[in-house]
Amino acid sequence: DGGITQSPKYLFRKEGQNVTLSCEQNLNHDAMYWYRQDPGQGLRLIYYSQIVNDFQKGDIAEGYSVSREKKESFPLTVTSAQKNPTAFYLCASSIDPTGGRETQYFGPGTRLLVL
Amino acid sequence: QKEVEQNSGPLSVPEGAIASLNCTYSDRVSQSFFWYRQYSGKSPELIMSIYSNGDKEDGRFTAQLNKASQYVSLLIRDSQPSDSATYLCAVMNTGFQKLVFGTGTRLLVSP
Repeated sequence: DGGITQSPKYLFRKEGQNVTLSCEQNLNHDAMYWYRQDPGQGLRLIYYSQIVNDFQKGDIAEGYSVSREKKESFPLTVTSAQKNPTAFYLCASSIDPTGGRETQYFGPGTRLLVL
Repeated sequence: QKEVEQNSGPLSVPEGAIASLNCTYSDRVSQSFFWYRQYSGKSPELIMSIYSNGDKEDGRFTAQLNKASQYVSLLIRDSQPSDSATYLCAVMNTGFQKLVFGTGTRLLVSP
């Protein structure tokens, strides 16, 4: 089955702890994205990557870090600097970010809660 | 002014009726427009994409785009209770192809 997988489904973070959210896709998509969704709000872009070994900050990158060492993988680390990390985190991918018309498809999401 | 605006709802319609969901955007040169459906606790799934002025139909769904008025809408014909969800409007910015999302409209279809 082709698609985007995210793990874990639920993640609990203690104060001062870094946690890493996994995102894997087997769609052979070039671009990958991380969004955060808070209750009653739209999706906000954290980081995106158009190509392996390159990534760019989105609108709310502070307190987060990413890597893109493989085309199929784009993990997100929520660092202790992110003071309000409780949210629903969504990973997405698209075929060609330069095409201007490529649709983004979403993984099932990870819900992060602070203990 | 928000980049993409939607009425948060809820929009309540009876089963079988037409549901009309609206979205306005501020970037006049936006090129691509998307509607996603999001069930509670789930991730967004694509319903429709539209790029040119006019209507685009796919089954019970019709997307309408008016670039001059910076307005995009989604019509759902013969609404079903299973259509009850939050509908997110997303607009692709110029430059880097960043999707900007509205906050969504919650649709409730009553049997």
